Parts: sequence; structure tokens; C-alpha cells
Amino acid sequence: NAGVTQTPKFRVLKTGQSMTLLCAQDMNHEYMYWYRQDPGMGLRLIHYSVGEGTTAKGEVPDGYNVSRLKKQNFLLGLESAAPSQTSVYFCASSYPSTGSNQPQHFGDGTRLSIL
Amino acid sequence: AQRVTQPEKLLSVFKGAPVELKCNYSYSGSPELFWYVQYSRQRLQLLLRHISRESIKGFTADLNKGETSFHLKKPFAQEEDSAMYYCALSGSGTYKYIFGTGTRLKVLA
Repeated sequence: NAGVTQTPKFRVLKTGQSMTLLCAQDMNHEYMYWYRQDPGMGLRLIHYSVGEGTTAKGEVPDGYNVSRLKKQNFLLGLESAAPSQTSVYFCASSYPSTGSNQPQHFGDGTRLSIL
Repeated sequence: AQRVTQPEKLLSVFKGAPVELKCNYSYSGSPELFWYVQYSRQRLQLLLRHISRESIKGFTADLNKGETSFHLKKPFAQEEDSAMYYCALSGSGTYKYIFGTGTRLKVLA
């Protein structure tokens, strides 16, 4: 049981390049999330999904797109990378709320540098 | 505005001393509060949640709605408690979580 797996773990891009970060979970969770973590900023929600085929914007969605074609996968895309997108990206997943909100399970993170 | 504030970036205490990591929140509805912890070279994981009212690894946290706080406490710090701690808030029945900026706890021998 791997939990939440993020690939790749590290990546260096040049400004303007595109790439996709993959998040996979094997816990049959309905909800999935993408966060970015910057020094002094905590975790900020980029996009999230409450089920297969559905996505929604979070706090900082600009410059990112996402897709949830399969329940277990949540992809984060950068169409034209910018230096401001240099960050550590975390994926998380959870069960749906059942009277109370369920805790999130996190991946190890992807460290992305944009030159 | 919905916000979680952790005023301390770094908290250093000696082994055996009491620990209190502060968390204050601003939320207009009914919040659910969590503490997450990230040990060195490990992923972020849930430590405890206010609705469980349980003690995990000797840590407790009480939701004080009057003071809008959810401070994390432990009476006697251990070296293995050294980690990054995040306070998080989620509106009851919503999907989104709001995280604080985190406090790094260092327990000195």
C-alpha cells in the first residue's frame, strides 16, 4: 500500500517549458488536492477534485491546469513555466466528508525549479 | 477572511520542558481544526484533530472558540518531537483546507 505517490520528485525546467506532475493514490479516495509550498507561506491550494472527471480552482490556480480522468490519478500541468512557479508541490487525498472532514494523506512532494 | 496563523516560525525547547505551539484562526462558519506534522525526510501526516479529542504521542490540542485558538501542547518534550508542525482548518462539510505557515520545533538535548 503505497498511499499517495508523486512523480517526479525533482525537476528543473527552463522558462516557457511545459510539464505534468503526476499524483497517484491507491486508497480509493474521492478527494484529491494539489498544493504548493513556498517559504513563509505554508501550503496553498492550487486545484482540487471531489471525484473522477471533476476539478475546481483553489486559492492560487493561475498558470496551472489539472485533470482527473481516473479516480486514482490527479495530474497537475504547467503549460508555460515561469520562475514564480518554483516551489515544492504536494498532492493529497482524502475520503469524502461524513459528518466531519476527513484528514488528508500527503505525497512526498515534488521540488520544481524554473530557471 | 479565512486564515490560520502560527506566530512562531521556530520554537526551541529543552528536552523535558513543556511545549506549546500556537495556532489562531479566523473563520466565519463552523471550523474543524487539525495539526499535521512533518518529521525529517518523511511526508506530512496527521497528528491530531479536534473532534477526536485524543492524545497522540503525548500531544493534545483544545479548540477554544472564544479565543479562536487551537494550540498544541505537550507537557514534556522529547528529542523525537523535533519536526515541522502545521495547523490546518477546514470548514465543516467543505472540501478545502487552509494551512498555517508552520512552526519548526527543535527539542534540544
